[in-house]
Amino acid sequence: GESVGLHLPTLSVQEGDNSIINCAYSNSASDYFIWYKQESGKGPQFIIDIRSNMDKRQGQRVTVLLNKTVKHLSLQIAATQPGDSAVYFCAENTSTGGGNKLTFGTGTQLKVEL
Amino acid sequence: KAGVTQTPRYLIKTRGQQVTLSCSPISGHRSVSWYQQTPGQGLQFLFEYFSETQRNKGNFPGRFSGRQFSNSRSEMNVSTLELGDSALYLCASSLGLGGLDTEAFFGQGTRLTVV
Repeated sequence: GESVGLHLPTLSVQEGDNSIINCAYSNSASDYFIWYKQESGKGPQFIIDIRSNMDKRQGQRVTVLLNKTVKHLSLQIAATQPGDSAVYFCAENTSTGGGNKLTFGTGTQLKVEL
Repeated sequence: KAGVTQTPRYLIKTRGQQVTLSCSPISGHRSVSWYQQTPGQGLQFLFEYFSETQRNKGNFPGRFSGRQFSNSRSEMNVSTLELGDSALYLCASSLGLGGLDTEAFFGQGTRLTVV
């Protein structure tokens, strides 16, 4: 039968504006969270991470906020540029049996308009 | 320093065949994880290897298997291929020691098409 693809939410922003991408995670035992950027034809690229004992972390033009109470993660990109256009995934890491496992969200397509 | 290398980049196989994909992690990284990415299911965890041992496994049938060698290189194998196995297979490497070493770096992936 025909498979139905995941509906990727799309965020369209004007170049120079700030972007905010949101993500809800499911496992309260997750201890580490990562945002990845994936451009067409490429593997996910690490952007920024945050540990569960923090609620905010800043990088270059990016900030990640973690709200453990509501299990919510957000990625803020300042002064969005055309090169930021990609699919963004949040991932939660769960340590089980001595190993690590990343569970990814469905992703958000960011489109930067000139 | 070289990144994660996956070979081949593209592969076309026929239903019922088997396939082996290869991943060379970043030098010094001992953990290799495999993920399947499809439009229908997104990115899904297959398994993780550390020091030649499978540490963690996702919810995939036994047709999907993997192994890791003493130099940390890893292979994954899919037997009796089905059309639904068509996907981008991604490998990620990390130091694997937990804590601050959890950061995972991905390769470009192997695009498998089953016809």
